[in-house]
Amino acid sequence: AQTVTQSQPEMSVQEAETVTLSCTYDTSESDYYLFWYKQPPSRQMILVIRQEAYKQQNATENRFSVNFQKAAKSFSLKISDSQLGDAAMYFCAYKTSGSRLTFGEGTQLTVNP
Amino acid sequence: NAGVTQTPKFQVLKTGQSMTLQCAQDMNHEYMSWYRQDPGMGLRLIHYSVGAGITDQGEVPNGYNVSRSTTEDFPLRLLSAAPSQTSVYFCASSYSMYGPTALGAFFGQGTRLTVV
Repeated sequence: AQTVTQSQPEMSVQEAETVTLSCTYDTSESDYYLFWYKQPPSRQMILVIRQEAYKQQNATENRFSVNFQKAAKSFSLKISDSQLGDAAMYFCAYKTSGSRLTFGEGTQLTVNP
Repeated sequence: NAGVTQTPKFQVLKTGQSMTLQCAQDMNHEYMSWYRQDPGMGLRLIHYSVGAGITDQGEVPNGYNVSRSTTEDFPLRLLSAAPSQTSVYFCASSYSMYGPTALGAFFGQGTRLTVV
């Protein structure tokens, strides 16, 4: 069974600084997808960024980027120039084409002014 | 664009009561699913459906029932509520289990359920 592990229950960052959230996963598949979701206090689940495992290039979406290390089964999220609105719970998730999303436990990010 | 609509947003039940959480999507998605979110455990899959008339169990199906009579709707039924079912529930949909999965899933706004 696939598992997703987020080893940092809580993280904090100063406004305008950079923070990296960690995620590791376990799978025997070679073709899969990885996601980071943001959940603000409103509870809405918002897709932040996604990565296809067959792509070597790390995905980037504005201030959000990932460091995808396929051999190490690691998928970290880097948030640059952190803003107060980035404060949220962040979930890492894994999916193969024939399965459903498997989520990590989440990392609560606090942004300090 | 309504996306995924969940109702109600909040609910308090007494132990033993039954209720149905509603979920509807207007994107013609084949794949719909229900998750529960508990502190420190992320989101865990309860049930899912790959199309009208087809449902299957996820990680934590006990105490829940689903049906999928139309593409749009995927209600979740609590048969006899227990305090252990106190949680936040999310409905999600995506284009296809086998299609452009790189697009991920669209989520409803969640239902906070308390069973006393």
